[in-house]
Amino acid sequence: EAQVTQNPRYLITVTGKKLTVTCSQNMNHEYMSWYRQDPGLGLRQIYYSMNVEVTDKGDVPEGYKVSRKEKRNFPLILESPSPNQTSLYFCASSLLGQPQHFGDGTRLSIL
Amino acid sequence: KNQVEQSPQSLIILEGKNCTLQCNYTVSPFSNLRWYKQDTGRGPVSLTIMTFSENTKSNGRYTATLDADTKQSSLHITASQLSDSASYICVVSAGLRGGGATNKLIFGTGTLLAVQP
Repeated sequence: EAQVTQNPRYLITVTGKKLTVTCSQNMNHEYMSWYRQDPGLGLRQIYYSMNVEVTDKGDVPEGYKVSRKEKRNFPLILESPSPNQTSLYFCASSLLGQPQHFGDGTRLSIL
Repeated sequence: KNQVEQSPQSLIILEGKNCTLQCNYTVSPFSNLRWYKQDTGRGPVSLTIMTFSENTKSNGRYTATLDADTKQSSLHITASQLSDSASYICVVSAGLRGGGATNKLIFGTGTLLAVQP
């Protein structure tokens, strides 16, 4: 089954403790992206990648890192999480120019 | 400034009724417009995608229209079902007409639809 898989689905952690949210897709998509979704603000892009070893900043990249060492994986790294990064995060992938397939989200709470 | 505005913010309708959701955009250059459905606790799922030259596209009971002159789109839901209860998100792609992945995606904040029995 074609899917985008995020882990974990839920995480409660504390300020400053490094965390990684993994994202994997099995559709051989070139394009992958991370978004955060906050009430009243809609989806905002954090980082995106057009192919292996190619990443670029979205609208709200501060405090986040990504890597794209393999085509299928696009992890999101929070080196020193802060409470303002408490949010619902989505990973998405697509063929170039096509509608994106989204994962089911990761709800992060940073205390 | 590129913007996508959706109305209404929320809507309650009775099962079986039709409804129309609106999306106005100020995005330039325009490449394509997409509608997504997002169920509570799930990721968005693509319903339709329309380019500049398309003014209507259907996906089952969902019909999207696009007026590129007035920069407006609508999503019409026919004979609503309880499973239509979700948030509907309008997304406009700014950039190349070919819709390449270098295009910038601008998201609306969504319309929350509740279908009641």
